[in-house]
Amino acid sequence: GQNIDQPTEMTATEGAIVQINCTYQTSGFNGLFWYQQHAGEAPTFLSYNVLDGLEEKGRFSSFLSRSKGYSYLLLKELQMKDSASYLCAVRDLPGGSYIPTFGRGTSLIVHP
Amino acid sequence: DAGITQSPRYKITETGRQVTLMCHQTWSHSYMFWYRQDLGHGLRLIYYSAAADITDKGEVPDGYVVSRSKTENFPLTLESATRSQTSVYFCASSEDSGGLQETQYFGPGTRLLVL
Repeated sequence: GQNIDQPTEMTATEGAIVQINCTYQTSGFNGLFWYQQHAGEAPTFLSYNVLDGLEEKGRFSSFLSRSKGYSYLLLKELQMKDSASYLCAVRDLPGGSYIPTFGRGTSLIVHP
Repeated sequence: DAGITQSPRYKITETGRQVTLMCHQTWSHSYMFWYRQDLGHGLRLIYYSAAADITDKGEVPDGYVVSRSKTENFPLTLESATRSQTSVYFCASSEDSGGLQETQYFGPGTRLLVL
């Protein structure tokens, strides 16, 4: 089994930088995903980490430390459209198949 | 149209009725998933399927039934709907790349209200 923890809500100012943390405990870790979900819409893929370190993709970066069971999503130059829920999902091996399990999500509010 | 679709998008039903939510994907992805999303709980896995005719329970399977006779379809049935099953249901699919990155692609969701 696994336990995934993210802050429930964060607020930030347009143009600023925000870091959304995710901690997890798993029995067979095989990758961590970040998804973005705007209100009333489906989640969409943002990033994937399986090895330790930082993955950068434009304004978004994601970091992973497997030994610490820790990841963060870094959003730079925040825009109003970044207001959304950010979901951390960890792939585990509960019964022979790698199945992602999601945290409860972090609701990010960007204000002017 | 290519992608992953769900139907209906909105459904109102009554307690005790049977309801089937449809999910269809055109990518021939091996894996398909059903999640429900509720405030305070995030996305919770109901059932998943690794291939046609192979299904497994997720975190919250009680009260739900699935089947996968064809790779592209993965219907979810609520055999006797209860008010606690009022939720937003998301279907997702992903490839089977032998343990490598398997991004999930989500359908638009079905909003179900059980009265």
